[in-house]
Amino acid sequence: GALVYQYPRRTICKSGTSMRMECQAVGFQATSVAWYRQSPQKTFELIALSTVNSAIKYEQNFTQEKFPISHPNLSFSSMTVLNAYLEDRGLYLCGALSRDSYEQYFGPGTRLTVL
Amino acid sequence: GDSVTQTEGLVTVTEGLPVMLNCTYQTAYSDVAFFWYVQYLNEAPKLLLRSSTDNKRTEHQGFHATLHKSSSSFHLQKSSVQLSDSALYYCALSENSAGNKLTFGIGTRVLVRP
Repeated sequence: GALVYQYPRRTICKSGTSMRMECQAVGFQATSVAWYRQSPQKTFELIALSTVNSAIKYEQNFTQEKFPISHPNLSFSSMTVLNAYLEDRGLYLCGALSRDSYEQYFGPGTRLTVL
Repeated sequence: GDSVTQTEGLVTVTEGLPVMLNCTYQTAYSDVAFFWYVQYLNEAPKLLLRSSTDNKRTEHQGFHATLHKSSSSFHLQKSSVQLSDSALYYCALSENSAGNKLTFGIGTRVLVRP
């Protein structure tokens, strides 16, 4: 079956430092990967949409300078949170769109705590 | 921009009884797809239902929803809930037909009691 793994599941970093999270699609090939963030008491908010062989498109309030994304192949994507501060805490969700079924599969998320 | 409004908070329902979770939306796009995702504790959200056709009932795992563009709604219903239906339910819309650029509602937690 189609699965999406995210690593790490939980991470803690000091304010002002950076952390990298990964997203791996297994059992299918993803044509695009979307990164979302769920801040405390809020719903999931789209950060950026990455399509292989196309430019990564960031949503308003999110920038490449703050959330650089790498999407080197159809099954893997990574995103870094640079200079993390308290407002960056939350659950970061990766959604991968299947090339064949056009269904978006989600990973369990990476929970970021900033001290 | 797009927005999705759901029944907020916790919905408690007795096993065997029906449940309806409200979902309304605002969007300026015409080629829009609508989704219900279910998220069980410590798991990833999973697709429950998807629709982009007006007034067409979509069903899966006993749940059903009908997109009504006239009222901008995509309510989720089940006629008889089971204990295993306890989960977090998200309504979402995608401004493209691919469904990979989602705007989520706040989520509704459903607790089914015996």
